[in-house]
Amino acid sequence: TQLLEQSPQFLSIQEGENLTVYCNSSSVFSSLQWYRQEPGEGPVLLVTVVTGGEVKKLKRLTFQFGDARKDSSLHITAAQTGDTGLYLCAGGYVKTSYDKVIFGPGTSLSVIP
Amino acid sequence: SQTIHQWPATLVQPVGSPLSLECTVEGTSNPNLYWYRQAAGRGLQLLFYSVGIGQISSEVPQNLSASRPQDRQFILSSKKLLLSDSGFYLCAWERSSPLHFGNGTRLTVT
Repeated sequence: TQLLEQSPQFLSIQEGENLTVYCNSSSVFSSLQWYRQEPGEGPVLLVTVVTGGEVKKLKRLTFQFGDARKDSSLHITAAQTGDTGLYLCAGGYVKTSYDKVIFGPGTSLSVIP
Repeated sequence: SQTIHQWPATLVQPVGSPLSLECTVEGTSNPNLYWYRQAAGRGLQLLFYSVGIGQISSEVPQNLSASRPQDRQFILSSKKLLLSDSGFYLCAWERSSPLHFGNGTRLTVT
């Protein structure tokens, strides 16, 4: 069974600070996604990474896929209150003719003004 | 553009009552469809997925069932709800990844 772990589970920081959250697995994935979920809503896709060592930037968010495609990190620069939410990573792999993903438990981020 | 609709947004049901949650997708054809459950503070657990009309695969044995009567319609059902069925249920679709989620249904079984 493939599992994804995320750390830290909870994070509370002041506005303007930087932070990094991690997603780790013992398995190799063909792709990895990061989602942000706000209370009472569905997860919204932030980014997909597919190549080992890949780095993608989305404004103040920097995503990195590990060289071995087993882990990923999300770094937020100068956090804002709007960054508050649950950050989920999801690993994708091909099984028969369709893709399925497995999700990590998430990092709950709270940015305090 | 593609959109996904899920309803109701919230639901309170007594133990032993039936359940029907509906999900529809617009703007795409032959999507792969998924039902997930999310417990508080935990990740998403895949319940069912479907690659076509009438084709349902279950990931975990449970008190729930799913059906896909039309290409873009996915229904989650139960004949008799249990307290443990409470949670946040999410429908999602994809074609060659990534997943796109609906806004979820908060189910409370009392």
